[in-house]
Amino acid sequence: DTGVSQNPRHKITKRGQNVTFRCDPISEHNRLYWYRQTLGQGPEFLTYFQNEAQLEKSRLLSDRFSAERPKGSFSTLEIQRTEQGDSAMYLCASSPLGFYGYTFGSGTRLTVV
Amino acid sequence: AQTVTQSQPEMSVQEAETVTLSCTYDTSESNYYLFWYKQPPSRQMILVIRQEAYKQQNATENRFSVNFQKAAKSFSLKISDSQLGDTAMYFCASIQGAQKLVFGQGTRLTINP
Repeated sequence: DTGVSQNPRHKITKRGQNVTFRCDPISEHNRLYWYRQTLGQGPEFLTYFQNEAQLEKSRLLSDRFSAERPKGSFSTLEIQRTEQGDSAMYLCASSPLGFYGYTFGSGTRLTVV
Repeated sequence: AQTVTQSQPEMSVQEAETVTLSCTYDTSESNYYLFWYKQPPSRQMILVIRQEAYKQQNATENRFSVNFQKAAKSFSLKISDSQLGDTAMYFCASIQGAQKLVFGQGTRLTINP
């Protein structure tokens, strides 16, 4: 297994456009997490899945954000009507059940112009 | 609510020196886990060390060790014989019953030759 994979690595979009990011977790990991990180800050939790169920969603996530994990495998994070404030690194991580820490992907850097 | 605080935004030491990064946390749970993550420039976040709150013995991983003071809710990371490759952002994080990692603001560590 090659770890957590995120695509694309970079995305530049115009304000108002929709974007979608993909995350492929480690195959045997039940849990998948999305975080957002702005420059020089720690990652902020957005949402997480256990298998295909979305168990928690942060209040940071406005109605413009939606995430899915069909069949408990890969996940997508969609941002509709992007705003400049959405510019950030979007990190995906996965973990097995328990408290073993997460394995992170390399992230998708979004720039909204 | 779970909170993690890193009070040192930046630190800089000479190669081969020992450096200690500070972290304090707040939690209402009795069972929780603490982590240090390293994020090199433009690279993905990797797990450095993990501590289980119910274990009194401090975790050690090669040159990395922690000083876990449960009563003080303090969790510092010591890096011995620092190397140029240790240059990175370091994030302290905790996880408890809600099972999502909560991160501190990070400490930017620079190892100088």
